[in-house]
Amino acid sequence: AQTVTQSQPEMSVQEAETVTLSCTYDTSESDYYLFWYKQPPSRQMILVIRQEAYKQQNATENRFSVNFQKAAKSFSLKISDSQLGDAAMYFCAYRSLNSGYALNFGKGTSLLVTP
Amino acid sequence: ETGVTQSPTHLIKTRGQQVTLRCSSQSGHNTVSWYQQALGQGPQFIFQYYREEENGRGNFPPRFSGLQFPNYSSELNVNALELDDSALYLCASSLGSLRYGYTFGSGTRLTVV
Repeated sequence: AQTVTQSQPEMSVQEAETVTLSCTYDTSESDYYLFWYKQPPSRQMILVIRQEAYKQQNATENRFSVNFQKAAKSFSLKISDSQLGDAAMYFCAYRSLNSGYALNFGKGTSLLVTP
Repeated sequence: ETGVTQSPTHLIKTRGQQVTLRCSSQSGHNTVSWYQQALGQGPQFIFQYYREEENGRGNFPPRFSGLQFPNYSSELNVNALELDDSALYLCASSLGSLRYGYTFGSGTRLTVV
């Protein structure tokens, strides 16, 4: 079974600074997708960024980018120019054909953004 | 896009009762999944429906069951409620292809007393 580990229960960043959230995963598969989701107090999971395992190029979405290290099974999220609205729980998730398309989530990292 | 809507937003039930949670998927999405998120945890996969058939199930007992309807709506039914069933239940829809993530609803907060 695939497991997703987020080793940072909480992180803090000052407004306008950069923060990196860590995620590692365990799998024997070669074809899979990785995601970062944001969950604000409104509870809705919002897709932040997606990475296909077969792509070597790291995905970017505006201020959000990932560092995908396939051999190390690492998938970190970098948030640049942090904003107060970035404060939320962030979940790393893994999805593959063999998992029945289900998303396997980590336990999350709570991000606090200070003025 | 209509997004994913869930009802009710909050619910309190007594141990042993049965509950039905409802979800309206995003238009065009043929796949719907349900997740249970306990307090302070990541969501756990309950099951998934593709074109009205269950095609994947997580480590949940049979008293957790579901339905998906032709209009993209779906239901999660839980029988014989236990205190540990208290959680946020999230519905998520997708186009079904591996490359897509899910669009999530805001969830139903279920409290079992």
